[in-house]
Amino acid sequence: GAVVSQHPSWVICKSGTSVKIECRSLDFQATTMFWYRQFPKQSLMLMATSNEGSKATYEQGVEKDKFLINHASLTLSTLTVTSAHPEDSSFYICSARITPHNEQFFGPGTRLTVL
Amino acid sequence: DAKTTQPTSMDCAEGRAANLPCNHSTISGNEYVYWYRQIHSQGPQYIIHGLKNNETNEMASLIITEDRKSSTLILPHATLRDTAVYYCIVRVAGGYSTLTFGKGTMLLVSP
Repeated sequence: GAVVSQHPSWVICKSGTSVKIECRSLDFQATTMFWYRQFPKQSLMLMATSNEGSKATYEQGVEKDKFLINHASLTLSTLTVTSAHPEDSSFYICSARITPHNEQFFGPGTRLTVL
Repeated sequence: DAKTTQPTSMDCAEGRAANLPCNHSTISGNEYVYWYRQIHSQGPQYIIHGLKNNETNEMASLIITEDRKSSTLILPHATLRDTAVYYCIVRVAGGYSTLTFGKGTMLLVSP
């Protein structure tokens, strides 16, 4: 199956700093990638849809200026959490869509802890 | 995409079959039933999907009722490593809709 990687797998940062998370499709090209967020004991919530070469589409309630998404190539999308605060602590998961069947494959997730 | 209803949790003894039900009474004719699972602190893993016929792969079997309003995911010989949250999702295959996750079923496999 298609493999999606994320880096880092976990990160701890101080409040007010920015954190960048990378999502890579290792053996396929993905024109569309998705970013999800998951709080403890809750389900995955879609944050945004990222299309290669264009601006990301954010879900309602997700601040686009706080969660910067860049999808500059067909194998890499990045999520930058700017000015992180403790309430941003969560499990961030990316997903890549593979054509032509448009199936989604998920990365292993990144655990962000903001102190 | 149609909504799904799953039990909050289920228990299963190791080595026995785990049967996870899912109701999707508002499913449309062009919507497939997908199953994913999420082991603790990992990303979701695709298991299987189907339209109306029963499907089987190396991980599981999917039984869809004739009226397509419900389905059952079967893990034939559950192991401790099958302990996870199982998500039943209905969506159009090949379409551009994203996967929307509900609360899923927490399956606990015990020795």
